[in-house]
Amino acid sequence: AAGVIQSPRHLIKEKRETATLKCYPIPRHDTVYWYQQGPGQDPQFLISFYEKMQSDKGSIPDRFSAQQFSDYHSELNMSSLELGDSALYFCASSSLDRGQTDTQYFGPGTRLTVL
Amino acid sequence: GNSVTQMEGPVTLSEEAFLTINCTYTATGYPSLFWYVQYPGEGLQLLLKATKADDKGSNKGFEATYRKETTSFHLEKGSVQVSDSAVYFCALSDPMDSSYKLIFGSGTRLLVRP
Repeated sequence: AAGVIQSPRHLIKEKRETATLKCYPIPRHDTVYWYQQGPGQDPQFLISFYEKMQSDKGSIPDRFSAQQFSDYHSELNMSSLELGDSALYFCASSSLDRGQTDTQYFGPGTRLTVL
Repeated sequence: GNSVTQMEGPVTLSEEAFLTINCTYTATGYPSLFWYVQYPGEGLQLLLKATKADDKGSNKGFEATYRKETTSFHLEKGSVQVSDSAVYFCALSDPMDSSYKLIFGSGTRLLVRP
Protein backbone atom coordinates (compact mmCIF):
# COMPACT_ATOMS: atom_id res chain seq x y z
CA ALA A 1 0.00 0.00 0.00
CA ALA A 2 1.13 3.52 -0.70
CA GLY A 3 2.58 5.37 2.26
CA VAL A 4 3.39 8.95 3.13
CA ILE A 5 6.42 10.20 1.21
CA GLN A 6 8.75 12.84 2.55
CA SER A 7 11.65 14.51 0.85
CA PRO A 8 14.43 14.99 1.35
CA ARG A 9 15.22 12.33 3.94
CA HIS A 10 18.28 14.20 5.16
CA LEU A 11 19.12 17.88 4.95
CA ILE A 12 22.12 19.80 6.20
CA LYS A 13 21.97 23.59 6.34
CA GLU A 14 23.95 26.44 7.79
CA LYS A 15 22.56 28.88 10.34
CA ARG A 16 20.38 31.60 8.81
CA GLU A 17 19.74 29.56 5.69
CA THR A 18 16.33 28.42 4.50
CA ALA A 19 14.95 24.92 4.05
CA THR A 20 11.90 23.43 2.35
CA LEU A 21 10.51 20.07 3.38
CA LYS A 22 7.99 18.27 1.23
CA CYS A 23 5.28 15.79 2.10
CA TYR A 24 3.14 13.66 -0.20
CA PRO A 25 0.19 12.15 1.66
CA ILE A 26 -1.39 8.79 1.08
CA PRO A 27 -3.69 8.99 -1.97
CA ARG A 28 -7.19 10.26 -1.14
CA HIS A 29 -6.09 11.55 2.25
CA ASP A 30 -7.26 15.11 2.71
CA THR A 31 -5.44 16.09 5.89
CA VAL A 32 -1.75 16.67 6.52
CA TYR A 33 0.01 17.22 9.84
CA TRP A 34 3.56 18.32 10.57
CA TYR A 35 5.40 17.33 13.74
CA GLN A 36 8.88 18.13 15.05
CA GLN A 37 10.84 15.60 17.11
CA GLY A 38 13.96 16.83 18.85
CA PRO A 39 16.67 14.40 19.98
CA GLY A 40 15.25 12.09 22.64
CA GLN A 41 11.96 13.98 22.62
CA ASP A 42 8.38 13.12 21.76
CA PRO A 43 6.92 14.53 18.54
CA GLN A 44 5.43 17.99 18.91
CA PHE A 45 2.60 19.20 16.68
CA LEU A 46 3.47 22.13 14.42
CA ILE A 47 0.63 22.70 11.98
CA SER A 48 -2.11 20.92 10.07
CA PHE A 49 -4.12 21.36 6.89
CA TYR A 50 -7.52 20.03 5.89
CA GLU A 51 -8.63 20.37 2.28
CA LYS A 52 -5.84 22.87 1.61
CA MET A 53 -6.84 25.16 4.48
CA GLN A 54 -4.89 25.50 7.69
CA SER A 55 -6.87 23.71 10.37
CA ASP A 56 -4.69 24.12 13.44
CA LYS A 57 -1.43 25.61 14.58
CA GLY A 58 0.79 24.45 17.39
CA SER A 59 4.15 25.61 18.63
CA ILE A 60 5.44 26.62 15.23
CA PRO A 61 7.91 29.52 15.10
CA ASP A 62 7.00 32.56 13.04
CA ARG A 63 10.05 31.75 10.90
CA PHE A 64 8.25 28.67 9.66
CA SER A 65 5.37 28.59 7.22
CA ALA A 66 3.54 25.82 5.45
CA GLN A 67 0.86 25.21 2.90
CA GLN A 68 -1.08 22.44 1.26
CA PHE A 69 -1.41 22.47 -2.50
CA SER A 70 -4.22 21.47 -4.86
CA ASP A 71 -2.77 17.96 -5.22
CA TYR A 72 -2.78 17.72 -1.38
CA HIS A 73 0.97 17.63 -1.01
CA SER A 74 2.35 19.98 1.61
CA GLU A 75 5.54 21.97 2.07
CA LEU A 76 7.09 23.26 5.27
CA ASN A 77 9.26 26.31 4.71
CA MET A 78 11.80 27.20 7.35
CA SER A 79 13.78 30.44 7.24
CA SER A 80 16.58 31.96 9.32
CA LEU A 81 17.48 28.51 10.55
CA GLU A 82 18.84 28.17 14.07
CA LEU A 83 20.86 25.40 15.68
CA GLY A 84 17.80 24.49 17.74
CA ASP A 85 15.84 23.69 14.59
CA SER A 86 17.90 20.53 14.18
CA ALA A 87 15.35 17.76 14.54
CA LEU A 88 13.39 15.05 12.80
CA TYR A 89 10.38 16.49 10.99
CA PHE A 90 7.49 14.15 10.41
CA CYS A 91 4.56 14.52 8.12
CA ALA A 92 1.43 12.48 8.73
CA SER A 93 -1.75 12.16 6.72
CA SER A 94 -5.28 11.05 7.42
CA SER A 95 -8.70 10.96 5.89
CA LEU A 96 -11.02 12.88 8.14
CA ASP A 97 -14.60 11.72 7.98
CA ARG A 98 -16.33 13.83 10.58
CA GLY A 99 -18.00 11.65 13.10
CA GLN A 100 -15.41 8.91 12.81
CA THR A 101 -12.02 8.63 14.36
CA ASP A 102 -9.04 9.58 12.33
CA THR A 103 -5.85 7.60 12.21
CA GLN A 104 -2.67 9.35 11.22
CA TYR A 105 -0.09 7.58 9.13
CA PHE A 106 3.42 8.90 9.37
CA GLY A 107 6.11 9.34 6.79
CA PRO A 108 9.73 8.32 7.42
CA GLY A 109 10.69 11.85 8.41
CA THR A 110 13.23 14.41 7.26
CA ARG A 111 16.27 14.74 9.46
CA LEU A 112 17.37 18.39 9.45
CA THR A 113 20.79 19.28 10.76
CA VAL A 114 21.68 22.94 11.18
CA LEU A 115 25.39 23.68 11.47
CA GLY B 1 -5.43 20.73 28.62
CA ASN B 2 -4.96 17.30 27.13
CA SER B 3 -1.87 15.34 28.08
CA VAL B 4 -0.38 11.84 28.07
CA THR B 5 1.91 10.41 30.72
CA GLN B 6 4.03 7.33 30.14
CA MET B 7 6.28 5.35 32.40
CA GLU B 8 9.91 6.31 32.09
CA GLY B 9 12.35 4.01 30.43
CA PRO B 10 14.38 2.29 29.51
CA VAL B 11 12.55 -0.92 30.19
CA THR B 12 14.96 -3.84 29.91
CA LEU B 13 13.60 -7.36 29.57
CA SER B 14 14.82 -10.78 28.62
CA GLU B 15 13.38 -12.46 25.57
CA GLU B 16 9.99 -14.10 26.21
CA ALA B 17 9.30 -11.94 29.25
CA PHE B 18 5.95 -10.21 29.81
CA LEU B 19 5.79 -6.54 28.92
CA THR B 20 3.71 -3.75 30.38
CA ILE B 21 4.19 -0.08 29.51
CA ASN B 22 1.91 2.19 31.48
CA CYS B 23 0.09 5.10 29.89
CA THR B 24 -2.45 7.45 31.44
CA TYR B 25 -4.15 10.42 29.88
CA THR B 26 -5.98 13.63 30.66
CA ALA B 27 -8.55 14.87 28.19
CA THR B 28 -11.51 17.20 28.12
CA GLY B 29 -13.54 14.96 25.86
CA TYR B 30 -13.54 11.28 24.99
CA PRO B 31 -10.31 10.83 23.07
CA SER B 32 -9.12 8.14 20.75
CA LEU B 33 -5.99 6.45 22.02
CA PHE B 34 -3.03 5.12 20.08
CA TRP B 35 0.26 3.34 20.50
CA TYR B 36 2.97 4.15 17.99
CA VAL B 37 6.34 2.40 17.73
CA GLN B 38 9.58 3.93 16.52
CA TYR B 39 12.42 1.59 15.59
CA PRO B 40 15.96 3.00 15.59
CA GLY B 41 16.46 5.48 12.80
CA GLU B 42 12.93 5.08 11.50
CA GLY B 43 9.61 6.89 11.53
CA LEU B 44 6.52 6.30 13.62
CA GLN B 45 4.43 3.24 12.92
CA LEU B 46 0.90 2.82 14.21
CA LEU B 47 0.85 -0.23 16.45
CA LEU B 48 -2.74 -0.23 17.67
CA LYS B 49 -5.62 2.03 18.58
CA ALA B 50 -8.90 2.19 20.51
CA THR B 51 -11.68 4.67 20.03
CA LYS B 52 -14.02 4.20 22.99
CA ALA B 53 -14.15 2.89 26.51
CA ASP B 54 -13.48 -0.85 26.95
CA ASP B 55 -12.24 -1.18 23.38
CA LYS B 56 -9.18 -3.41 23.07
CA GLY B 57 -6.67 -2.67 20.37
CA SER B 58 -4.35 -5.46 19.31
CA ASN B 59 -1.63 -6.07 16.75
CA LYS B 60 1.47 -8.28 16.47
CA GLY B 61 0.85 -9.76 19.93
CA PHE B 62 0.53 -6.35 21.57
CA GLU B 63 -2.68 -5.35 23.32
CA ALA B 64 -4.07 -2.30 25.07
CA THR B 65 -7.49 -1.71 26.60
CA TYR B 66 -9.13 1.71 26.83
CA ARG B 67 -10.01 2.15 30.52
CA LYS B 68 -12.12 5.25 31.01
CA GLU B 69 -12.49 4.77 34.76
CA THR B 70 -8.73 4.84 35.29
CA THR B 71 -7.97 7.02 32.21
CA SER B 72 -5.39 4.46 31.13
CA PHE B 73 -4.27 2.64 27.99
CA HIS B 74 -1.48 0.33 29.12
CA LEU B 75 0.44 -1.62 26.48
CA GLU B 76 1.02 -5.33 27.08
CA LYS B 77 2.67 -8.24 25.34
CA GLY B 78 2.88 -11.74 26.67
CA SER B 79 6.27 -12.69 25.25
CA VAL B 80 8.65 -10.08 23.88
CA GLN B 81 11.27 -10.67 21.22
CA VAL B 82 14.58 -8.97 20.56
CA SER B 83 12.98 -7.43 17.48
CA ASP B 84 10.51 -5.56 19.72
CA SER B 85 13.32 -3.30 20.93
CA ALA B 86 12.16 0.20 20.05
CA VAL B 87 10.65 3.35 21.52
CA TYR B 88 6.92 3.17 22.19
CA PHE B 89 4.74 6.30 22.23
CA CYS B 90 1.28 6.53 23.68
CA ALA B 91 -0.84 9.26 22.07
CA LEU B 92 -4.32 10.70 22.09
CA SER B 93 -6.53 12.51 19.64
CA ASP B 94 -9.40 14.54 21.04
CA PRO B 95 -12.53 14.69 18.88
CA MET B 96 -13.31 18.04 20.55
CA ASP B 97 -10.18 19.31 18.80
CA SER B 98 -11.15 20.29 15.29
CA SER B 99 -7.81 19.24 13.84
CA TYR B 100 -7.56 15.84 15.59
CA LYS B 101 -3.88 16.47 16.18
CA LEU B 102 -1.98 13.85 18.18
CA ILE B 103 -0.62 14.57 21.62
CA PHE B 104 2.18 12.21 22.53
CA GLY B 105 3.62 10.92 25.74
CA SER B 106 7.35 11.18 26.28
CA GLY B 107 8.02 7.70 24.92
CA THR B 108 9.33 4.55 26.59
CA ARG B 109 12.41 2.80 25.29
CA LEU B 110 12.23 -0.99 25.39
CA LEU B 111 15.38 -3.10 25.27
CA VAL B 112 14.97 -6.84 24.89
CA ARG B 113 18.03 -8.97 25.52
CA PRO B 114 18.48 -12.46 24.03
